[in-house]
Amino acid sequence: QITLKESGPTLVKPTQTLTLTCTFSGFSLSTNGVGVGWIRQPPGEALEWLALIYWDDDKRYSPSLKSRLTITKDTSKNQVVLTMTHVDPVDTATYFCARRRYTSTWYFDYWGQGTLVTVSS
Amino acid sequence: QSALTQPPSASGSPGQSVTISCTGTSSDVGGYNYVSWYQLHPGKAPKLIIYEVIKRPSGVPDRFSGSKSGNTASLTVSGLQAEDEADYYCSSYAGSNPFFGTGTKVTVL
Repeated sequence: QITLKESGPTLVKPTQTLTLTCTFSGFSLSTNGVGVGWIRQPPGEALEWLALIYWDDDKRYSPSLKSRLTITKDTSKNQVVLTMTHVDPVDTATYFCARRRYTSTWYFDYWGQGTLVTVSS
Repeated sequence: QSALTQPPSASGSPGQSVTISCTGTSSDVGGYNYVSWYQLHPGKAPKLIIYEVIKRPSGVPDRFSGSKSGNTASLTVSGLQAEDEADYYCSSYAGSNPFFGTGTKVTVL
């Protein structure tokens, strides 16, 4: 059974750094053709992809947020960590992590429930 | 990369069908089979319901079907049920970067 769970602070002050952890089970991030990504959804708005990390440590970032994001993995702990610097109230959102898988195309096949992060002073 | 365009809302009565469109460009939706669809219920983990335009993951009812014509992909939910009331998002990717549609709220009347 594949599961993913996001964890991190629920409240962050503007200008601070946000660190989110995705802890997963049921698969390995050292398996060829597998990645883990972060996606967010501000209240009442659409999904927005943030970052991806793949089994070979290839990393991809949303061009609009690239300067503020860092994604890393700890394969032994089955964790992926996303850091976002200089947060702003517009970063208030539910943050999801999801497994990205390749068969003949790429897609997110398993998702966590998400964690709501509020940016406010 | 611009978001894929979806209608904000769609609705149907139980047992009816509803179709949601997802419009991109020839560089994404129109050029490749890189379309997937996700169902979001509040407070629950999003669920993959269609990938590679037309394929259904194991466990997804065959009431859900995908198609594509030109630069527009579509998701059809046949035989609407109360539990189908949710937000639906299409997704594609350009290079290695995924992007999502604007989202459609499906209401079961």
